[in-house]
Amino acid sequence: QKEVEQNSGPLSVPEGAIASLNCTYSDRGSQSFFWYRQYSGKSPELIMSIYSNGDKEDGRFTAQLNKASQYVSLLIRDSQPSDSATYLCAVKTGSARQLTFGSGTQLTVLP
Amino acid sequence: GAVVSQHPSWVICKSGTSVKIECRSLDFQATTMFWYRQFPKQSLMLMATSNEGSKATYEQGVEKDKFLINHASLTLSTLTVTSAHPEDSSFYICSANQDGNTEAFFGQGTRLTVV
Repeated sequence: QKEVEQNSGPLSVPEGAIASLNCTYSDRGSQSFFWYRQYSGKSPELIMSIYSNGDKEDGRFTAQLNKASQYVSLLIRDSQPSDSATYLCAVKTGSARQLTFGSGTQLTVLP
Repeated sequence: GAVVSQHPSWVICKSGTSVKIECRSLDFQATTMFWYRQFPKQSLMLMATSNEGSKATYEQGVEKDKFLINHASLTLSTLTVTSAHPEDSSFYICSANQDGNTEAFFGQGTRLTVV
């Protein structure tokens, strides 16, 4: 079982719709969770971080964390074509200094 | 967020030569930096953890003699790909955390092409 799993997609949504991206992780000791956006040929850009159960909102983005179920999700409201990218879920576990990344979900927002 | 600068952004080199990539934290100190490699349509794979003032920690399967890491100051880590071969062609990305902060920020990445 991979430590961090994401649906690879591709996920296509029409412009203006809500895009929902999901991520599960295997280590119950995980403490910190991150969503990164990566455009083709570019390096990842931090979108959201979440550390406690519940929802965290930032503009059109909402991260949701459920530690009991070991999943974290990212909702993108009012999706725009510029949101088309690969979204990477990353998890930091316990005392580990590095992040463990999922394989990423490719999102396409259709005009 | 914190700024991490990586240089060069792309490089083409001949097979058998060495290439050095620099990663700098511009507005913060980072005792630890991370080096990743990403092949097309794949996720980031951690290569090594760069520790200021001490030896880097390499992930399993990464040749430490081929990928030399030096972290001589709190703001600079370098990755040298020695005796590069075409199979080393990839996107190399560094990241750094502000000390005491869990959020990682990435450099712009370096596209290495070995011909």
